[in-house]
Amino acid sequence: EAGVTQFPSHSVIEKGQTVTLRCDPISGHDNLYWYRRVMGKEIKFLLHFVKESKQDESGMPNNRFLAERTGGTYSTLKVQPAELEDSGVYFCASSLTTTSGGADTQYFGPGTRLTVL
Amino acid sequence: AQSVAQPEDQVNVAEGNPLTVKCTYSVSGNPYLFWYVQYPNRGLQFLLKYITGDNLVKGSYGFEAEFNKSQTSFHLKKPSALVSDSALYFCAVRARINAGNNRKLIWGLGTSLAVNP
Repeated sequence: EAGVTQFPSHSVIEKGQTVTLRCDPISGHDNLYWYRRVMGKEIKFLLHFVKESKQDESGMPNNRFLAERTGGTYSTLKVQPAELEDSGVYFCASSLTTTSGGADTQYFGPGTRLTVL
Repeated sequence: AQSVAQPEDQVNVAEGNPLTVKCTYSVSGNPYLFWYVQYPNRGLQFLLKYITGDNLVKGSYGFEAEFNKSQTSFHLKKPSALVSDSALYFCAVRARINAGNNRKLIWGLGTSLAVNP
């Protein structure tokens, strides 16, 4: 079974440009999450999809960030326009809703390292 | 507010010796607790989780963790460390009961484990 995949692995862009990150979850997983780790700080939650719907987007930094999940499969995270403080590693994770009340395990992709110059 | 503390930035241990990576948390009610590991240039890999029941949880690669409710801790342990265990270890917590199907993980800063030959 393929794991969570993310593309690209690295992206270097200039301030003001647009970048789109892609995440392909494990097949059949209804939950998809985006997290970000800025250097020296903890991993922070950005948002959570259940199928194609945004369940929780409380961690999205501002309206420069737009996430979509087409047809409940893959997801994209667009940053437009990018700022210096957006640099970091963006992780995607997916999980399968369990019947045990929410103790599902989130499986992570390798991350996309974004550098904004 | 929910938070996770990993008090040690780095842990050094000799190969063959037991290792402990510490984690304490602050969350309302009984949480779900997780440990993840990140090897160099790799994504986050799930190690183990505590849901309920036995306070000692066994996970991948010979790791185990002990849930201590009174001390709000979930320390990661391994009886005999290997050089290949050298990596970055993250503790994460999720509230068990919450509104709106909140499944976000709250993370510690991570602990770098170095196992010396």
